[in-house]
Amino acid sequence: QSALTQPASVSGSPGQSITISCTGTSSDVGGYNYVSWYQQHPGKAPKLMIYEVSNRPSGVPDRFSASKSGNTASLTISGLQAEDEADYYCSSYTRATTYVVFGGGTKLTVL
Amino acid sequence: EVQLVESGGGLVQPGGSLTLSCAASGFSFSSFWMTWVRQAPGKGLEWVANIKHDGSEKYYVDSMKGRFTISRDNAKNSLYLQMTRLRAEDTALYYCARPFGGHDYGDFDYWGQGTLVTVSS
Repeated sequence: QSALTQPASVSGSPGQSITISCTGTSSDVGGYNYVSWYQQHPGKAPKLMIYEVSNRPSGVPDRFSASKSGNTASLTISGLQAEDEADYYCSSYTRATTYVVFGGGTKLTVL
Repeated sequence: EVQLVESGGGLVQPGGSLTLSCAASGFSFSSFWMTWVRQAPGKGLEWVANIKHDGSEKYYVDSMKGRFTISRDNAKNSLYLQMTRLRAEDTALYYCARPFGGHDYGDFDYWGQGTLVTVSS
């Protein structure tokens, strides 16, 4: 069982918006502004899409946005494109039983 | 160009040992915390261990404490993971990852291609 809870799957049509949630506790998501989001295509290494809750690394389209409220972080992808179809993972800094925890991952299907 | 290249994976019997290596280039390796992350086949990402830039602090996920040892050689720009008493559930693709801002807050902007460890008799 993953430390952070994500929905197993989400789907949307091209051009639509989707949101993926990532629920933790006050010991991780709620306790620190160090939530990251990753995109992973099959057979590829994860790609950092968001860091420190809502910041985009250089080169990540502004269609990707994120936020946090309490113990839940959210990733929103607007203007869905076919190439957005991938697995998405959240992560959070924590000083509980480990140092960093990941969510279980969400498979995004673009219909 | 930042590059992380893992090596050392392979097939090992339960109870066996293996040492993974990660060769880093294109950045000031000695200035960054470094991390190992693994992914079991068809499963999600799991943070394994990290090490401070000077090697003075090391952290592990509980299930690997006492079995895995992370280390680094800044003179060789290399990161290592010694794995002992391997179990079937340690079967995974092991990634070497660099934290975005230097300290490991779970934000890894560079990843290697991974090295596959298979634990099976």
